[in-house]
Amino acid sequence: DQQVKQNSPSLSVQEGRISILNCDYTNSMFDYFLWYKKYPAEGPTFLISISSIKDKNEDGRFTVFLNKSAKHLSLHIVPSQPGDSAVYFCAASASSGTYKYIFGTGTRLKVLA
Amino acid sequence: NAGVMQNPRHLVRRRGQEARLRCSPMKGHSHVYWYRQLPEEGLKFMVYLQKENIIDESGMPKERFSAEFPKEGPSILRIQQVVRGDSAAYFCASSPSRDGTEAFFGQGTRLTVV
Repeated sequence: DQQVKQNSPSLSVQEGRISILNCDYTNSMFDYFLWYKKYPAEGPTFLISISSIKDKNEDGRFTVFLNKSAKHLSLHIVPSQPGDSAVYFCAASASSGTYKYIFGTGTRLKVLA
Repeated sequence: NAGVMQNPRHLVRRRGQEARLRCSPMKGHSHVYWYRQLPEEGLKFMVYLQKENIIDESGMPKERFSAEFPKEGPSILRIQQVVRGDSAAYFCASSPSRDGTEAFFGQGTRLTVV
């Protein structure tokens, strides 16, 4: 049972445009969400997080939006840069076990120069 | 401040052998987590440890897998009698607390069972 879903395995975007990566979850107990970026042969790198008391969190070019009623979150990258090309994982946890992240299967973003 | 260190980066084992994966957390981090990533899948939680204690091993297979985080030295994930299905990337993460702050991941150990 996949509790965190990233339905788009890949996404291609032109440099300078906006990249939108989507993530859906099924467990209403999740209240903390994170995005990780992963380059080949490296471990995931933390990018940005959001708790369920917020609906938006922004950090430079990266913004995460949370829609609790739809159980949906998205990561916006603007403007997209070639160095953003990586696999992006959405992860969620419940306050009862905040160490236990449930990861999605990832979306491979390719930013075209 | 070095990041989370995992070794080896690559490990090849024949079926039936043992695999030992090591993880040194970031300085000041006493919480260690192991995740496994199978091909074409997301990372899956295996086990959460603090120094000398296993806090949650609900994601770890009941047989052949064990983990420890001794008072001194790195955390060890041990897989006995490996099978082809154990081939995966194993990631270790550490954090300074368990209150939901982000965990920092190591570069992973890619285990190949031949």
